[in-house]
Amino acid sequence: SQKIEQNSEALNIQEGKTATLTCNYTNYSPAYLQWYRQDPGRGPVFLLLIRENEKEKRKERLKVTFDTTLKQSLFHITASQPADSATYLCALDTGRRALTFGSGTRLQVQP
Amino acid sequence: NAGVTQTPKFRVLKTGQSMTLLCAQDMNHEYMYWYRQDPGMGLRLIHYSVGEGTTAKGEVPDGYNVSRLKKQNFLLGLESAAPSQTSVYFCASSYVQDEGTQYFGPGTRLLVL
Repeated sequence: SQKIEQNSEALNIQEGKTATLTCNYTNYSPAYLQWYRQDPGRGPVFLLLIRENEKEKRKERLKVTFDTTLKQSLFHITASQPADSATYLCALDTGRRALTFGSGTRLQVQP
Repeated sequence: NAGVTQTPKFRVLKTGQSMTLLCAQDMNHEYMYWYRQDPGMGLRLIHYSVGEGTTAKGEVPDGYNVSRLKKQNFLLGLESAAPSQTSVYFCASSYVQDEGTQYFGPGTRLLVL
């Protein structure tokens, strides 16, 4: 069956360090992958999209990698700040203009 | 622009009652979606629409119906609510030309007793 896995355990890091979140998938061949941020009590907000033919994408302090051989995406936040604390969701294209979401990883940045 | 709005924000229902959740978007998006989000389950697609007058089933459509009579509105109906439908419901929309990037509403928290 198709599956998207994100670490369900919260990731706790110190301010200023790099946070790395993982998204693994099986039985998909997505044309693209997206990352969203979700704050408590709010809807997800789009952050980055990476296509299958792109290895890496950057936006300010964010970096996403996409390895279609490993079926894995890594999401990095450099120089992390307490304001980066949130849940981060990865989402895959399922070929019908719809997305399938992982359950998310909660990031907690300690000052 | 208000973006995507949802009403109501919170609702308590008794088992067997019906209700309609309203989603509205002012971005002229063709595609609209309804998700539910439960702890540890992530967002699961209930129904979606690729344009005015169209609807399609998602991953978990049972117990829900939808309608898209106007391009800017997407309604989610529960005909006979069950406790298993206690959840947070999110509506989203996207451009046709976009690669699936979705814009979400603030969510509706539904409790079915």
